[in-house]
Amino acid sequence: EPEVTQTPSHQVTQMGQEVILRCVPISNHLYFYWYRQILGQKVEFLVSFYNNEISEKSEIFDDQFSVERPDGSNFTLKIRSTKLEDSAMYFCASSSRDTQYEQYFGPGTRLTVT
Amino acid sequence: RKEVEQDPGPFNVPEGATVAFNCTYSNSASQSFFWYRQDCRKEPKLLMSVYSSGNEDGRFTAQLNRASQYISLLIRDSKLSDSATYLCVVNPDTGGFKTIFGAGTRLFVKA
Repeated sequence: EPEVTQTPSHQVTQMGQEVILRCVPISNHLYFYWYRQILGQKVEFLVSFYNNEISEKSEIFDDQFSVERPDGSNFTLKIRSTKLEDSAMYFCASSSRDTQYEQYFGPGTRLTVT
Repeated sequence: RKEVEQDPGPFNVPEGATVAFNCTYSNSASQSFFWYRQDCRKEPKLLMSVYSSGNEDGRFTAQLNRASQYISLLIRDSKLSDSATYLCVVNPDTGGFKTIFGAGTRLFVKA
């Protein structure tokens, strides 16, 4: 069964450093998403991406964040200058053309900012 | 009012019980509704979409009441493996595929 993969599974970084979280969506999916979940809190939408551009972003997704689909398979989230409050689980998700909102999630990257 | 609000839980039920979760949403223009489950420290997994006519998948039944802006999930004959957090998910139809998750309701099914 096709699945979304994410690397790394855990990233530890120092405050102020840049991090890139990587995702490989399901191969025939066209819609891509990033979410974050702070420990003990709800899943929060960050950004959706379609046709090589951001289709919507939340208030959380400020200038420190960017997304890119550098090739036909990867989808990345970059945080330019990490803060302590960026520590969270980051999930990537994808969905197909026919069922745009039925999203399949990757296992997540746990980001720890020290 | 929160965009998506769920029963606070946790629900503690014995195996074989029937349990119902409720969810309300604030944006009346919302078009798509889902239930996901999330196991501890794992990713959310799509459980089922929720259609206007209601839908059933085995032991799970989902219903939507647009007039009341209310979604429900019924689990019959609960299994130990149903223990998880159940997430109500709404797409507010902003045109950009934004997705709003509820805070979730924790379910514990005990032998």
